[in-house]
Amino acid sequence: GEDVEQSLFLSVREGDSSVINCTYTDSSSTYLYWYKQEPGAGLQLLTYIFSNMDMKQDQRLTVLLNKKDKHLSLRIADTQTGDSAIYFCAERRGRDDKIIFGKGTRLHILP
Amino acid sequence: GAVVSQHPSRVICKSGTSVKIECRSLDFQATTMFWYRQFPKKSLMLMATSNEGSKATYEQGVEKDKFLINHASLTLSTLTVTSAHPEDSSFYICSASPIWTKNTEAFFGQGTRLTVV
Repeated sequence: GEDVEQSLFLSVREGDSSVINCTYTDSSSTYLYWYKQEPGAGLQLLTYIFSNMDMKQDQRLTVLLNKKDKHLSLRIADTQTGDSAIYFCAERRGRDDKIIFGKGTRLHILP
Repeated sequence: GAVVSQHPSRVICKSGTSVKIECRSLDFQATTMFWYRQFPKKSLMLMATSNEGSKATYEQGVEKDKFLINHASLTLSTLTVTSAHPEDSSFYICSASPIWTKNTEAFFGQGTRLTVV
């Protein structure tokens, strides 16, 4: 199939860690991405990971990739109110480098 | 980082008219740009791949005569919604990858909210 799957909603208390999960289907994907979309705004690239890596850390963000299970996760440490947004998982595939997106996970921060 | 600019950010048009949306890479060149459409509460759906100097490649189910794409230069791609109808109302986003990144990084425009009345 063509789908990139992720859960639609996640609620996390401020200060806790958020973990957003994603599964993809194409084992030939070269790069996997996490994008953030704030209300009324476009997409912001948060981070990406090459398919031969299993982890990438960038400040509060940690990306884990399990290529065998085609599972990608994004961990946001010390979640803040400004992290409230929709997070899209995406994979790059094919000769023309198409980016295929998941439906997005809406992250809600509880006080 | 690289900047992709989309214009206009919002447009309201009458049913039956055509609307042109521009996607510009401001500080880099891109041989390939992509056009997406975002439905309410749904993900981004790839509409077409815009190739500089050649015809666009459309995804299955996307009418190429309705959504005209022109990629006249390495910094500009345009999407024209022809004979727009209310069901074409949506959020359209373009993306481009700088040539030097060898397509590892894609940058997105801010999107265009199209409302057809």
